[in-house]
Amino acid sequence: RKEVEQDPGPFNVPEGATVAFNCTYSNSASQSFFWYRQDCRKEPKLLMSVYSSGNEDGRFTAQLNRASQYISLLIRDSKLSDSATYLCVVRRYGQNFVFGPGTRLSVLP
Amino acid sequence: NAGVTQTPKFRVLKTGQSMTLLCAQDMNHEYMYWYRQDPGMGLRLIHYSVGEGTTAKGEVPDGYNVSRLKKQNFLLGLESAAPSQTSVYFCASSVGFNEQFFGPGTRLTVL
Repeated sequence: RKEVEQDPGPFNVPEGATVAFNCTYSNSASQSFFWYRQDCRKEPKLLMSVYSSGNEDGRFTAQLNRASQYISLLIRDSKLSDSATYLCVVRRYGQNFVFGPGTRLSVLP
Repeated sequence: NAGVTQTPKFRVLKTGQSMTLLCAQDMNHEYMYWYRQDPGMGLRLIHYSVGEGTTAKGEVPDGYNVSRLKKQNFLLGLESAAPSQTSVYFCASSVGFNEQFFGPGTRLTVL
C-alpha cells in the first residue's frame, strides 16, 4: 500500500462549483500535512498547510482527520484558474516529505 | 531573487551516456532535494542534503549520485543513463523539513 493515496481524477467541474478532494495516509506517525498545487508542466507550489483544527484560506478549506488518517481540500466557487493537479503531502517528525500522486482538477467554463 | 534554478531545462541522452544536472538556490537554505516525477507515481525522492558536504539517499537512489560542495548548489549525476531514467527531475530547497521551494524542472529523455 502506498504511504499517501489520492484519487487521480480528473474532476471536471463547472465554474462556480464546489469540489472536494480527499487524501489518505497510512503512517499514523505522520505529523505535518500540506496541499501543493502543480500546474501543467510546472513545478509544485505550496497551496496551504493543514492544521489539526482545520484551516481556511479564502475559497480553500483544509481539514485533517487523524482518527481516519485522511486530509481533505475543499474549493468553493471554482475558477478557471483553479485547474491544476493538487498534491497531498505528509511528513513524519524529522523526516522528508512524502508526496501523493495528485488529483487533477479541470474547471470548465 | 531567482529562487531555485535548474540547468538544463531539457536533455536527450542515449543509453549509457552520462550527465550532470545542476541545481542552484539563492535563499540560503540548508536543505536541498532531488526528486523525479513520473506519471501516476507522484514525486519520489532520489537524494537529499541537509547541509554543505552532506548527502543522503532517498526513496529511489539507484543509478544516481549527488554532491553538495557549496551550500547553494546541489548536483545530480547519472553515470550510465538508462531508459528507465526518463523522467522530469525537480530540485527543491527548504529551511529544515519545512515548506519546500521547487525549481522549474528538467525534462530528461533517455533513448
